[in-house]
Amino acid sequence: KQEVTQIPAALSVPEGENLVLNCSFTDSAIYNLQWFRQDPGKGLTSLLLIQSSQREQTSGRLNASLDKSSGRSTLYIAASQPGDSATYLCAMRDANAGKSTFGDGTTLTVKP
Amino acid sequence: DGGITQSPKYLFRKEGQNVTLSCEQNLNHDAMYWYRQDPGQGLRLIYYSQIVNDFQKGDIAEGYSVSREKKESFPLTVTSAQKNPTAFYLCASSISSGGGNEQFFGPGTRLTVL
Repeated sequence: KQEVTQIPAALSVPEGENLVLNCSFTDSAIYNLQWFRQDPGKGLTSLLLIQSSQREQTSGRLNASLDKSSGRSTLYIAASQPGDSATYLCAMRDANAGKSTFGDGTTLTVKP
Repeated sequence: DGGITQSPKYLFRKEGQNVTLSCEQNLNHDAMYWYRQDPGQGLRLIYYSQIVNDFQKGDIAEGYSVSREKKESFPLTVTSAQKNPTAFYLCASSISSGGGNEQFFGPGTRLTVL
């Protein structure tokens, strides 16, 4: 059974800092990995989707990487801003399709 | 505007009552999903549907039921058999259930049992 772990559970950084969020998974037989942002009391907003055959995806200040051999994905946020404060979740789509497994998330606080 | 809508935003239930949460999408997606989120935790899959008139149990289906009579609608009923229903419920959809497809989420319904 796929298990997804996100460490740390919470992170606080000063504005302007570059940071990395980590996501690890136990089963490398995945179809894709998706990173989401969740604001308090809201739904999930999709940030980046990496297919199994890809190594990374970029959108603006965000860069996500995928290393299936080590069972890791990272989300890099450049030049962090207070508006980046939110919970970030990663999700693995199972190779058998139809189901995703989510991590518990990392709650990021960017201080002005 | 294309997207996923969920209603109501907040729902209160007395113990022993069944309640139904609405999820509608106008993205023309085949696959739809229901997740449950508890405080400080990730999402757990309740049910999913790959196509109209078809659905499968997820990891925590006990005490829940669904229907998929129309492509755009996937309502979730929380029955009295669900022992701890207080949670945040999220509906999602994707073009298909194929592995490469991106999931999109609705704004959620917060259910509280009184």
